[in-house]
Amino acid sequence: EIVLTQSPATLSLSPGERATLSCRASQNINHYLAWYQHKPGQSPRLLIYDTSNRASGIPARFSGSGSVTDFTLTISSLEPEDFAVYYCQQRNTWPLTFGGGTKVEIK
Amino acid sequence: QVQLVESGGGVVQPGRSLRLSCAASGFTFSTYSMHWVRQAPGKGLEWVGVISYDGINKYYADSVRGRFTISRDNSRNTVYLEVNSLRVEDSAVFYCSREKQQLALSDVTDIWGQGTMVTVSS
Repeated sequence: EIVLTQSPATLSLSPGERATLSCRASQNINHYLAWYQHKPGQSPRLLIYDTSNRASGIPARFSGSGSVTDFTLTISSLEPEDFAVYYCQQRNTWPLTFGGGTKVEIK
Repeated sequence: QVQLVESGGGVVQPGRSLRLSCAASGFTFSTYSMHWVRQAPGKGLEWVGVISYDGINKYYADSVRGRFTISRDNSRNTVYLEVNSLRVEDSAVFYCSREKQQLALSDVTDIWGQGTMVTVSS
């Protein structure tokens, strides 16, 4: 199965700062990489699909980039509601897999 | 409105079985593939499996293949997850989710339920 490695595990930032999250795949997943946001007590929320497409209703401060095995989620200016855990997921190959997550916490 | 509601979780002894349900409403259920995802306490999200919109194709995570079975009843707008030979490490919140595109398989999921908790303990 394809292993997704997310880094860093924790990102400590202040509101207004830029967040850069990384996701590396163990093999080529083309552009089939998605990002989800997950807050405690809530359901996961789709942010980005197929590397760079924002899901419906997602603010423009969220953007995705990358290709082949290296992908990035960028939050241009953190809002208070953005502090959460972020997961990448690949849908290139069965079984689908998630990365281990990056927690974005308030510094 | 578009909604998924999971049920069937609870406390169960190791080795026993459980059937989780996910009732859908607000959309044409029979045209969407459905996924199950779980999150163990203090851990990350783990994809469990998927069933195609017509119930014909199913795929599972390596960790559950052979013990978990996904099925659906399009007449009842419900997808099921049968979990057998439960282990302590299967304890988790189980979420069902709907694919973003109709008549697809292996798409991203954009609608999620609130989850149902399964605790495996003697």
